[in-house]
Amino acid sequence: QVQLLESGPGLVKPSQTLSLTCTVSGGSMTSNNHFWSWVRQPAGKGLEWIGRVYTSGDTNYNPSLKSRVTISIDTSKNQFSLNLSSVTAADTAVYYCAKMVHDWFDPWGQGTLVTVSS
Amino acid sequence: QSALTQPASVSGSPGQSITISCTGTSSDVGNSHYVSWYQHHPGKAPKLVIYDFTNRPSGVSSRFSGSTSGNTASLTISGLQAEDEADYYCSSYTGLTTYVFGTGTKVTVL
Repeated sequence: QVQLLESGPGLVKPSQTLSLTCTVSGGSMTSNNHFWSWVRQPAGKGLEWIGRVYTSGDTNYNPSLKSRVTISIDTSKNQFSLNLSSVTAADTAVYYCAKMVHDWFDPWGQGTLVTVSS
Repeated sequence: QSALTQPASVSGSPGQSITISCTGTSSDVGNSHYVSWYQHHPGKAPKLVIYDFTNRPSGVSSRFSGSTSGNTASLTISGLQAEDEADYYCSSYTGLTTYVFGTGTKVTVL
């Protein structure tokens, strides 16, 4: 059974780039050619879809974040990554990675809190 | 893309049934784009409870059911239990290679 685990710095300075990695275990990322997604949740707010990457490297992004987001995949390491540039306090959130099966998200990682502060 | 609209909170007594609505537009929920539902206990990973509007993943209680009508999808929890107290989110494909979540509903078991 596939499990996902987010990792990366918990504190990022304003204007810098937030970088997170999701490591997939319990199965190959290339089996059945799924999409892999990032979702975030600011404190006290709802879930926000950030974007997704296919095993081929093709990506789709939330239009509101598209200019600052890059999602990449390294199937040899069973990992995919999120880079979010020019961060502000509004980017402080718990960031989740998730496997996409058709149009739904399952399973999800436990999430990692990223705080943007100087 | 705007978030799908859910009630901020819904409550019920143990054993009762509650229904959470998820209202979108003719571009997403109303365009037969598949809606999924997630249960989220704070501090834990969100859990898929309904996909493709009405389907339940294996291992999810049969007390969870989904339905749809026009631009609105709904999640019903029957036989409400204390463990059902959580936040619930719907999600839909928007038809533009992007996805949107609902505003979230806090379920309280009285």
